[in-house]
Amino acid sequence: AQSVTQPDIHITVSEGASLELRCNYSYGATPYLFWYVQSPGQGLQLLLKYFSGDTLVQGIKGFEAEFKRSQSSFNLRKPSVHWSDAAEYFCAVGARLNRDDKIIFGKGTRLHILP
Amino acid sequence: DTAVSQTPKYLVTQMGNDKSIKCEQNLGHDTMYWYKQDSKKFLKIMFSYNNKELIINETVPNRFSPKSPDKAHLNLHINSLELGDSAVYFCASSPKIVGVQYFGPGTRLTVT
Repeated sequence: AQSVTQPDIHITVSEGASLELRCNYSYGATPYLFWYVQSPGQGLQLLLKYFSGDTLVQGIKGFEAEFKRSQSSFNLRKPSVHWSDAAEYFCAVGARLNRDDKIIFGKGTRLHILP
Repeated sequence: DTAVSQTPKYLVTQMGNDKSIKCEQNLGHDTMYWYKQDSKKFLKIMFSYNNKELIINETVPNRFSPKSPDKAHLNLHINSLELGDSAVYFCASSPKIVGVQYFGPGTRLTVT
């Protein structure tokens, strides 16, 4: 079964600074990988996904992520954060082998933005 | 036009009561889910349905019973509510099993 780890519970960066949120997964083959964002009081919104192909994936709101098979990682990056990026970020991993496969979510990283 | 909608948005009730949460999606997706998010924001799948058929039933107490009358709807009924059931419940839909998931706004359940 797959698993996903987000090592950082909280991250604080200054507005305008670059951002990297870490995500590591465990799975025997290439999984499906996702990043979602949850603003306070809201549902989750997809930022980007990786299924196959180019390992650098572009998403919405200026985010990108890179799939690194050798490191079992799928880190999320943004070159310059905005105050509106303050939210909870979830990495998720899925595998489509069996009918009852599912997506597993990491425990989330709360992003705080300093003015 | 809301893609995935849930009602109610807030639900406050007493222990022992029975309550239902409704979910509807207008995306034409085949797969729908219920997730529970606890106070620490941990998101855990409870159930998934594909074409009205139950696919995943995690280790959820049998007080929780999902029902899918058609592909566009997935309701969650909870019997004999307990304090530990307090959480935010999210409905989601996906065009396929293990695909991109589209989440509803959530239902915050508070059991007193």
